[in-house]
Amino acid sequence: DAGVIQSPRHEVTEMGQEVTLRCKPISGHDYLFWYRQTMMRGLELLIYFNNNVPIDDSGMPEDRFSAKMPNASFSTLKIQPSEPRDSAVYFCASSFSEHQYNEQFFGPGTRLTVL
Amino acid sequence: AQSVTQLDSQVPVFEEAPVELRCNYSSSVSVYLFWYVQYPNQGLQLLLKYLSGSTLVKGINGFEAEFNKSQTSFHLRKPSVHISDTAEYFCAVSGYGGANNLFFGTGTRLTVIP
Repeated sequence: DAGVIQSPRHEVTEMGQEVTLRCKPISGHDYLFWYRQTMMRGLELLIYFNNNVPIDDSGMPEDRFSAKMPNASFSTLKIQPSEPRDSAVYFCASSFSEHQYNEQFFGPGTRLTVL
Repeated sequence: AQSVTQLDSQVPVFEEAPVELRCNYSSSVSVYLFWYVQYPNQGLQLLLKYLSGSTLVKGINGFEAEFNKSQTSFHLRKPSVHISDTAEYFCAVSGYGGANNLFFGTGTRLTVIP
């Protein structure tokens, strides 16, 4: 398996623009997680899905952030409008509920820079 | 709910010296414990995990960790570090029977000095 795939790997945009980050989980995994990593706040869980349904979005910072999972093989994280403080590395991870130990597999991340 | 504390934000150590990265957890239920490593400009990779059984767990790259239930700790150790071990290390906990979410610590940056 190719692992968790994220695109783009790098994104540079200007304040006010819409940004869409994409994630393809490992085939067969039924959980998907979005994280944000910054120097100031470390690794933060934004939202996670189970069987394409959002379970907990309490980590989403504000209404400018939204996430969708239209099918088992694709998820998006959208920021509209973007702000400089959204600059961070965004990770997607997936896991399989039948694994008793809840191991998560991480993608390589998307480094977002908002100017 | 579960939580993790990594007391050391940065640990410098000379090459070939031993290292211990500390992790303490809090949980009202039995747990699974993990150490992840993040090399510069990369995602997180699983280093090792404790599920049950032997309290001494061996992982990749010569790392090992010991689960201590009475002290609620899961410290990571390596007897002799290499330059290539320079990375950020995250401890994480997950509760039995709960959702598949992990609770991560704030990370420890290990810097190996030549």
